[in-house]
Amino acid sequence: GENVEQHPSTLSVQEGDSAVIKCTYSDSASNYFPWYKQELGKRPQLIIDIRSNVGEKKDQRIAVTLNKTAKHFSLHITETQPEDSAVYFCAASGGFGNEKLTFGTGTRLTIIP
Amino acid sequence: DAGVIQSPRHEVTEMGQEVTLRCKPISGHDYLFWYRQTMMRGLELLIYFNNNVPIDDSGMPEDRFSAKMPNASFSTLKIQPSEPRDSAVYFCASSEDRRYGYTFGSGTRLTVV
Repeated sequence: GENVEQHPSTLSVQEGDSAVIKCTYSDSASNYFPWYKQELGKRPQLIIDIRSNVGEKKDQRIAVTLNKTAKHFSLHITETQPEDSAVYFCAASGGFGNEKLTFGTGTRLTIIP
Repeated sequence: DAGVIQSPRHEVTEMGQEVTLRCKPISGHDYLFWYRQTMMRGLELLIYFNNNVPIDDSGMPEDRFSAKMPNASFSTLKIQPSEPRDSAVYFCASSEDRRYGYTFGSGTRLTVV
Protein backbone atom coordinates (compact mmCIF):
# COMPACT_ATOMS: atom_id res chain seq x y z
CA GLY A 1 0.00 0.00 0.00
CA GLU A 2 0.88 3.68 0.00
CA ASN A 3 3.44 4.97 2.50
CA VAL A 4 3.71 8.70 3.23
CA GLU A 5 6.60 10.17 5.19
CA GLN A 6 6.55 13.74 6.49
CA HIS A 7 9.36 15.98 7.75
CA PRO A 8 10.06 17.71 9.99
CA SER A 9 7.91 16.58 12.90
CA THR A 10 8.24 19.98 14.56
CA LEU A 11 9.10 23.35 13.10
CA SER A 12 9.47 26.76 14.70
CA VAL A 13 9.79 29.90 12.60
CA GLN A 14 9.85 33.61 13.36
CA GLU A 15 6.69 35.48 12.49
CA GLY A 16 6.99 36.82 8.96
CA ASP A 17 9.43 34.15 7.82
CA SER A 18 8.57 31.24 5.53
CA ALA A 19 7.88 27.64 6.54
CA VAL A 20 8.37 24.55 4.39
CA ILE A 21 7.07 21.05 5.15
CA LYS A 22 8.04 18.11 2.98
CA CYS A 23 6.44 14.76 2.25
CA THR A 24 7.45 11.74 0.21
CA TYR A 25 5.21 8.95 -1.05
CA SER A 26 5.83 5.45 -2.27
CA ASP A 27 3.10 4.66 -4.82
CA SER A 28 4.12 6.09 -8.20
CA ALA A 29 0.47 5.88 -9.29
CA SER A 30 -0.65 8.33 -6.59
CA ASN A 31 -2.44 11.26 -8.17
CA TYR A 32 -3.95 13.45 -5.46
CA PHE A 33 -2.11 15.22 -2.63
CA PRO A 34 -4.03 17.28 -0.06
CA TRP A 35 -2.78 19.18 2.96
CA TYR A 36 -4.78 19.45 6.16
CA LYS A 37 -4.40 21.91 9.02
CA GLN A 38 -5.38 20.93 12.54
CA GLU A 39 -5.54 23.63 15.19
CA LEU A 40 -5.31 22.64 18.82
CA GLY A 41 -8.39 20.68 19.85
CA LYS A 42 -10.02 21.03 16.44
CA ARG A 43 -10.68 18.80 13.47
CA PRO A 44 -8.27 18.49 10.50
CA GLN A 45 -9.38 20.82 7.72
CA LEU A 46 -8.34 20.84 4.08
CA ILE A 47 -6.30 23.93 3.21
CA ILE A 48 -4.93 23.15 -0.23
CA ASP A 49 -4.55 20.22 -2.60
CA ILE A 50 -2.80 19.38 -5.84
CA ARG A 51 -3.36 16.80 -8.52
CA SER A 52 -0.66 14.92 -10.40
CA ASN A 53 -1.07 16.85 -13.64
CA VAL A 54 0.00 20.10 -11.94
CA GLY A 55 3.44 21.01 -10.60
CA GLU A 56 2.49 23.91 -8.35
CA LYS A 57 -0.59 25.51 -6.87
CA LYS A 58 -0.93 28.72 -4.86
CA ASP A 59 -3.60 30.16 -2.65
CA GLN A 60 -2.62 33.49 -1.11
CA ARG A 61 0.19 32.77 1.35
CA ILE A 62 0.25 29.01 0.91
CA ALA A 63 1.54 26.97 -2.00
CA VAL A 64 2.12 23.33 -2.73
CA THR A 65 4.70 21.92 -5.14
CA LEU A 66 4.82 18.41 -6.55
CA ASN A 67 7.73 16.51 -8.05
CA LYS A 68 6.33 13.28 -9.47
CA THR A 69 9.70 11.99 -10.61
CA ALA A 70 11.13 12.20 -7.12
CA LYS A 71 7.78 11.33 -5.50
CA HIS A 72 7.74 14.24 -3.14
CA PHE A 73 5.56 17.25 -2.48
CA SER A 74 5.92 20.24 -0.20
CA LEU A 75 3.83 22.87 1.55
CA HIS A 76 5.14 26.42 1.58
CA ILE A 77 3.75 29.11 3.86
CA THR A 78 5.05 32.64 3.34
CA GLU A 79 4.82 35.67 5.63
CA THR A 80 3.83 33.42 8.53
CA GLN A 81 1.42 34.70 11.16
CA PRO A 82 0.60 33.47 14.68
CA GLU A 83 -2.64 31.91 13.41
CA ASP A 84 -0.57 29.59 11.21
CA SER A 85 0.50 27.73 14.35
CA ALA A 86 -1.05 24.25 14.05
CA VAL A 87 -0.32 20.66 13.07
CA TYR A 88 -0.15 20.13 9.33
CA PHE A 89 -0.77 16.76 7.68
CA CYS A 90 0.06 15.79 4.15
CA ALA A 91 -1.72 12.90 2.43
CA ALA A 92 -1.63 10.97 -0.81
CA SER A 93 -4.26 9.05 -2.71
CA GLY A 94 -2.78 5.92 -4.21
CA GLY A 95 -3.30 4.15 -7.50
CA PHE A 96 -5.75 1.48 -8.51
CA GLY A 97 -6.79 -0.64 -5.56
CA ASN A 98 -5.24 1.80 -3.12
CA GLU A 99 -7.18 4.97 -3.78
CA LYS A 100 -7.96 5.95 -0.19
CA LEU A 101 -5.98 8.75 1.44
CA THR A 102 -2.89 7.83 3.43
CA PHE A 103 -1.76 10.53 5.86
CA GLY A 104 1.68 11.57 6.97
CA THR A 105 2.52 11.73 10.67
CA GLY A 106 2.09 15.48 10.93
CA THR A 107 4.26 18.57 11.51
CA ARG A 108 3.70 20.79 14.49
CA LEU A 109 4.37 24.35 13.29
CA THR A 110 4.94 27.06 15.87
CA ILE A 111 5.14 30.70 14.84
CA ILE A 112 7.27 32.75 17.21
CA PRO A 113 5.95 36.32 17.60
CA ASP B 1 -25.23 21.11 5.83
CA ALA B 2 -24.08 20.79 9.45
CA GLY B 3 -21.02 18.82 8.46
CA VAL B 4 -19.96 15.50 9.93
CA ILE B 5 -21.43 15.14 13.40
CA GLN B 6 -19.83 13.02 16.08
CA SER B 7 -20.96 12.19 19.57
CA PRO B 8 -20.03 12.30 22.31
CA ARG B 9 -17.29 14.96 22.22
CA HIS B 10 -15.66 13.55 25.31
CA GLU B 11 -15.94 10.15 26.91
CA VAL B 12 -14.33 8.95 30.11
CA THR B 13 -14.83 5.32 30.98
CA GLU B 14 -13.36 2.66 33.19
CA MET B 15 -11.27 -0.15 31.84
CA GLY B 16 -13.40 -3.09 30.79
CA GLN B 17 -16.46 -1.05 29.95
CA GLU B 18 -18.07 -0.92 26.52
CA VAL B 19 -17.71 2.34 24.60
CA THR B 20 -19.79 3.38 21.60
CA LEU B 21 -18.84 6.31 19.41
CA ARG B 22 -21.33 7.73 16.90
CA CYS B 23 -21.07 9.49 13.58
CA LYS B 24 -23.46 11.13 11.16
CA PRO B 25 -21.86 11.76 7.76
CA ILE B 26 -22.68 14.56 5.38
CA SER B 27 -25.78 13.77 3.37
CA GLY B 28 -24.87 12.45 -0.06
CA HIS B 29 -21.41 11.31 0.94
CA ASP B 30 -21.05 7.63 0.05
CA TYR B 31 -17.81 7.04 1.95
CA LEU B 32 -17.32 7.06 5.70
CA PHE B 33 -13.99 6.67 7.46
CA TRP B 34 -13.04 6.08 11.09
CA TYR B 35 -9.62 7.35 12.23
CA ARG B 36 -7.77 7.18 15.52
CA GLN B 37 -5.33 9.95 16.41
CA THR B 38 -2.56 9.61 18.98
CA MET B 39 0.67 11.49 19.52
CA MET B 40 2.70 8.39 18.78
CA ARG B 41 0.95 7.17 15.64
CA GLY B 42 -0.72 10.24 14.17
CA LEU B 43 -3.88 9.62 12.13
CA GLU B 44 -4.55 5.91 11.68
CA LEU B 45 -7.33 4.67 9.41
CA LEU B 46 -9.31 2.03 11.26
CA ILE B 47 -12.03 1.17 8.77
CA TYR B 48 -13.98 2.67 5.92
CA PHE B 49 -17.40 2.08 4.38
CA ASN B 50 -18.81 2.62 0.92
CA ASN B 51 -22.59 2.76 0.63
CA ASN B 52 -22.85 1.34 4.16
CA VAL B 53 -20.67 -1.68 3.33
CA PRO B 54 -17.31 -2.12 5.10
CA ILE B 55 -14.58 -2.07 2.45
CA ASP B 56 -11.33 -2.15 4.40
CA ASP B 57 -11.06 -2.96 8.09
CA SER B 58 -7.38 -3.83 8.08
CA GLY B 59 -6.66 -0.96 10.45
CA MET B 60 -8.91 -2.21 13.21
CA PRO B 61 -6.45 -3.02 15.99
CA GLU B 62 -8.09 -6.16 17.34
CA ASP B 63 -11.35 -7.97 17.91
CA ARG B 64 -12.30 -5.61 20.69
CA PHE B 65 -13.06 -3.03 18.01
CA SER B 66 -16.11 -3.26 15.76
CA ALA B 67 -17.85 -0.80 13.45
CA LYS B 68 -21.24 -0.75 11.81
CA MET B 69 -23.11 1.41 9.38
CA PRO B 70 -26.78 0.37 9.45
CA ASN B 71 -27.83 3.16 7.09
CA ALA B 72 -26.43 6.04 5.05
CA SER B 73 -26.76 8.55 7.88
CA PHE B 74 -25.32 6.72 10.86
CA SER B 75 -22.26 4.75 11.90
CA THR B 76 -20.92 3.45 15.19
CA LEU B 77 -17.50 2.40 16.42
CA LYS B 78 -17.63 0.13 19.44
CA ILE B 79 -14.84 -0.93 21.79
CA GLN B 80 -15.59 -3.83 24.10
CA PRO B 81 -13.90 -4.24 26.51
CA SER B 82 -12.04 -0.93 26.58
CA GLU B 83 -8.42 -0.64 27.75
CA PRO B 84 -6.30 2.37 28.79
CA ARG B 85 -4.27 2.08 25.57
CA ASP B 86 -7.44 2.84 23.62
CA SER B 87 -7.31 6.41 24.92
CA ALA B 88 -7.12 8.67 21.85
CA VAL B 89 -9.14 11.05 19.73
CA TYR B 90 -11.39 9.21 17.29
CA PHE B 91 -12.38 11.03 14.12
CA CYS B 92 -15.05 10.20 11.63
CA ALA B 93 -14.79 11.60 8.09
CA SER B 94 -16.99 11.37 5.04
CA SER B 95 -16.55 12.04 1.34
CA GLU B 96 -18.17 11.65 -2.04
CA ASP B 97 -15.07 9.89 -3.35
CA ARG B 98 -12.53 7.79 -1.48
CA ARG B 99 -9.68 9.61 -3.20
CA TYR B 100 -10.46 13.17 -2.10
CA GLY B 101 -12.76 15.62 -0.39
CA TYR B 102 -12.61 14.17 3.11
CA THR B 103 -14.51 16.24 5.69
CA PHE B 104 -13.75 15.42 9.29
CA GLY B 105 -16.03 15.55 12.29
CA SER B 106 -15.02 17.27 15.52
CA GLY B 107 -13.80 14.03 17.02
CA THR B 108 -14.44 12.12 20.25
CA ARG B 109 -11.77 12.32 22.91
CA LEU B 110 -11.80 8.96 24.68
CA THR B 111 -10.11 8.43 28.00
CA VAL B 112 -10.05 4.96 29.50
CA VAL B 113 -8.98 4.89 33.15
